[in-house]
Amino acid sequence: QKEVEQNSGPLSVPEGAIASLNCTYSDQGSQSFFWYRQYSGKSPELIMFIYSNGDKEDGRFTAQLNKASQYVSLLIRDSQPSDSATYLCAVTFNKFYFGSGTKLNVKP
Amino acid sequence: EAGVAQSPRYKIIEKRQSVAFWCNPISGHATLYWYQQILGQGPKLLIQFQNNGVVDDSQLPKDRFSAERLKGVDSTLKIQPAKLEDSAVYLCASSLSADYNSPLHFGNGTRLTVT
Repeated sequence: QKEVEQNSGPLSVPEGAIASLNCTYSDQGSQSFFWYRQYSGKSPELIMFIYSNGDKEDGRFTAQLNKASQYVSLLIRDSQPSDSATYLCAVTFNKFYFGSGTKLNVKP
Repeated sequence: EAGVAQSPRYKIIEKRQSVAFWCNPISGHATLYWYQQILGQGPKLLIQFQNNGVVDDSQLPKDRFSAERLKGVDSTLKIQPAKLEDSAVYLCASSLSADYNSPLHFGNGTRLTVT
């Protein structure tokens, strides 16, 4: 059974701080890695994807992948109250596997 | 580019009734997915289509759930008869290809309440 694990949170950070969201996965053959943001009552929205080891930056967001440790993370710099949402990690190995999400609260 | 369209947005039915959901994917997206998301959980795949063929329906409760994508574009998901535990959000998603490197793009979902 392939698994994607996320801390359910809530993770609380003050406005302007860096939020660090983590995800571990069980299958070493996993191919692609995605982060989705889901506001309460809304559908998941793609934030970033990463395929190779290392860092990928897009604006205030950085995705970090370490395949040897089976670990992918999302850093949000200069966190804003509008970043408050649940962040879903998705990993693919012949299908998409989703974690249960980490709830992030950014306090003004 | 228009996104994934779903309808209805909300549906309330009694147990043992039937319900149907409709999805229109992003134009040009050959792969279409139906997911079930229960509150506090990640989306769970029900069925994946590539054009009008089924790629994966291993987690679809086939005694009560059915889905079709007859012309390789729109899709319908049906539940008959519904159970209380079917209360969830049903998400349709599409992707450009089925190689699992293309991200999923989700519709707004249908929130189903079974009473």
